[in-house]
Amino acid sequence: DIQMTQSPSTLSASVGDRVTITCRASQSISSWLAWYQQKPGKAPKLLIYKASSLESGVPSRFSGSGSGTEFTLTISSLQPDDFATYYCQQYNSPSWTFGQGTKVEIK
Amino acid sequence: QMQLVQSGPEVKKPGTSVKVSCKASGFTFTSSAMQWVRQARGQRLEWIGWIVVGSGNTNYAQKFQERVTITRDMSTSTAYMELSSLRSEDTAVYYCAAAPLYKNAFDIWGQGTMVTVSS
Repeated sequence: DIQMTQSPSTLSASVGDRVTITCRASQSISSWLAWYQQKPGKAPKLLIYKASSLESGVPSRFSGSGSGTEFTLTISSLQPDDFATYYCQQYNSPSWTFGQGTKVEIK
Repeated sequence: QMQLVQSGPEVKKPGTSVKVSCKASGFTFTSSAMQWVRQARGQRLEWIGWIVVGSGNTNYAQKFQERVTITRDMSTSTAYMELSSLRSEDTAVYYCAAAPLYKNAFDIWGQGTMVTVSS
C-alpha cells in the first residue's frame, strides 16, 4: 500500500497566520490527492481534490499544490472556523490511504 | 439537496457481523462511486474500500479483504458495508462518502454510524 505521511502532526497558529501542511506519498500518485477538514464529532469535509482543485463553496484562502509524491495544503489567512484536523487522502492506487492528520490549534 | 443518510448505531458481540446502510438522495446514485471509511475514537481516518455503483466493481483495503463486503442496491439508491468476524478493535464510527464519476472526488458524506463491539 502507498503510505501517506503528513507533517506536522500538530500546528499552533494565530488568526491571520499563513499555514502550510505537507503530505508525502511513498510513491508517485500523480495528482490523485484530496484534502479534507474534520471537526470533532463531524464527518470530513472535502476541501481540495486532484491536488489543486478547490471544492465548490470552499473559501479561496484554501489552496492545494503538488504532484508526484509531495503535496501541500495552504491556508493563506487562518480564520477562527479553520481550527480543525486536516487529512490528505491518495486515490491513485487501487488501495487508497489517508495521512495521519494535522491538528491546527489556536496559539 | 444531495445527501447520504446512514443507519443507526449498532452494538455487536465479538465474532458476529454488522451491516451498515447508506441511502443516497439528490444526486444520480448510479453514476457515482462510494467509499467507506472508519475512525476509532481519537484516531485517524482509515479507508475500508469502495464500489463503483453502476458496475458493482469493488476494491478493499488489504487489512479488511477477508472480512468486508461492499454492495449496493440501485433500486433503493442504497450502499451497504458488511464487516464480519468483529473484534473490539472494530469499534469505530463508520462513514460512507459519494463521488460523482465525472468529478472523482468524495464531496458528499454520511453522518457516520457508531459501531461498538463488546462482549
